[in-house]
Amino acid sequence: LAKTTQPISMDSYEGQEVNITCSHNNIATNDYITWYQQFPSQGPRFIIQGYKTKVTNEVASLFIPADRKSSTLSLPRVSLSDTAVYYCLVGEGYGGSQGNLIFGKGTKLSVKP
Amino acid sequence: EAGVAQSPRYKIIEKRQSVAFWCNPISGHATLYWYQQILGQGPKLLIQFQNNGVVDDSQLPKDRFSAERLKGVDSTLKIQPAKLEDSAVYLCASSLASPRDNEQFFGPGTRLTVL
Repeated sequence: LAKTTQPISMDSYEGQEVNITCSHNNIATNDYITWYQQFPSQGPRFIIQGYKTKVTNEVASLFIPADRKSSTLSLPRVSLSDTAVYYCLVGEGYGGSQGNLIFGKGTKLSVKP
Repeated sequence: EAGVAQSPRYKIIEKRQSVAFWCNPISGHATLYWYQQILGQGPKLLIQFQNNGVVDDSQLPKDRFSAERLKGVDSTLKIQPAKLEDSAVYLCASSLASPRDNEQFFGPGTRLTVL
């Protein structure tokens, strides 16, 4: 499974767009990129998953360049409630027989008023 | 839809004691996972079940940890005997076995403190 590298922490202000970049140089052909969000004292929660180009849902966008060696999670107009740890994971997504997830330390996002 | 349930939420024990955690996954989810999350780190997979069979337990310390999912629904994770380094949050997650939908849904976790 590919190793991921992401910033340990980021600060932002309410209403700003936040982009968290994750590098995964050894991503395999079958690997998908998945992001999870974790609030204190809660389990992680799925945000978005993609394979290439751009994926958008109601809470975030995921940008993946053609070489797939990195990805960027974009959170539009963050609020205080977006303060959390964000994990980038790479592994078999759709079609994977195991769907194992390997979590790194994540990026601790702090949103200030 | 009810989420993943775990109990207890908190547990404090002394080293060398035994402890058990319980998990009830989302109805219909064939795959169940147990993770260990030490403070300041991301969750680490301990064991994965598909129905009542083990898919991956490569990171489970089998000399002291055991887990079962007898009827393919609820699961228990046991530690016997506990060590200080077992202090962590134990997360249970479940997912559909469908190849096109393996999003994992996590429970609130059990916070274990070993004194």
